[in-house]
Amino acid sequence: KQEVTQIPAALSVPEGENLVLNCSFTDSAIYNLQWFRQDPGKGLTSLLLIQSSQREQTSGRLNASLDKSSGRSTLYIAASQPGDSATYLCAVRGDSGGSNYKLTFGKGTLLTVNP
Amino acid sequence: SAVISQKPSRDICQRGTSLTIQCQVDSQVTMMFWYRQQPGQSLTLIATANQGSEATYESGFVIDKFPISRPNLTFSTLTVSNMSPEDSSIYLCSVSGTVVSGNTIYFGEGSWLTVV
Repeated sequence: KQEVTQIPAALSVPEGENLVLNCSFTDSAIYNLQWFRQDPGKGLTSLLLIQSSQREQTSGRLNASLDKSSGRSTLYIAASQPGDSATYLCAVRGDSGGSNYKLTFGKGTLLTVNP
Repeated sequence: SAVISQKPSRDICQRGTSLTIQCQVDSQVTMMFWYRQQPGQSLTLIATANQGSEATYESGFVIDKFPISRPNLTFSTLTVSNMSPEDSSIYLCSVSGTVVSGNTIYFGEGSWLTVV
């Protein structure tokens, strides 16, 4: 059974700081890994998707890396802003060889960027 | 990306009643999913809504409690039946398999239910 762990559970940083969020998963047989952002009481916004064959993906100030063999991914946020404050969720999709779209989520990292 | 609309966005429900949540997508999608997020927890998959057939439920979730419909490729409903306070959660619809998005999974804004 896939398990996803995110560290730290909460992080508070001053504005402008670069930061790294960590995600680890127990079963390396994944199809892809996706990072989401969730604002309080809201749904999820997809940030980055990394296919199992890829090493990293970038979007603006965000960079996500994937080391499938070691079961790890990181989300790097450059020059953080107060608007980045949210919960960041990591989710992996299993590779069953079929059309298994099930995502297994971590519990998230609550990020607070202080002005 | 896919635009997903969920209704209601919020509701306060009486114990023992049932509520149906609607999920509408702006394009045809292959897969539709329903997740639950209990307070302070991460997301748990309830079921996969299959077009033209019965939904596929995850362990711990049953059709009598969470009946699902998927009448076409853009719409699904989830009913939370005979609600108790333990059902107070955010219920999220998600989709995958559009022409544009491919493998990316997108989520609606969620339906926040409070059972009193």
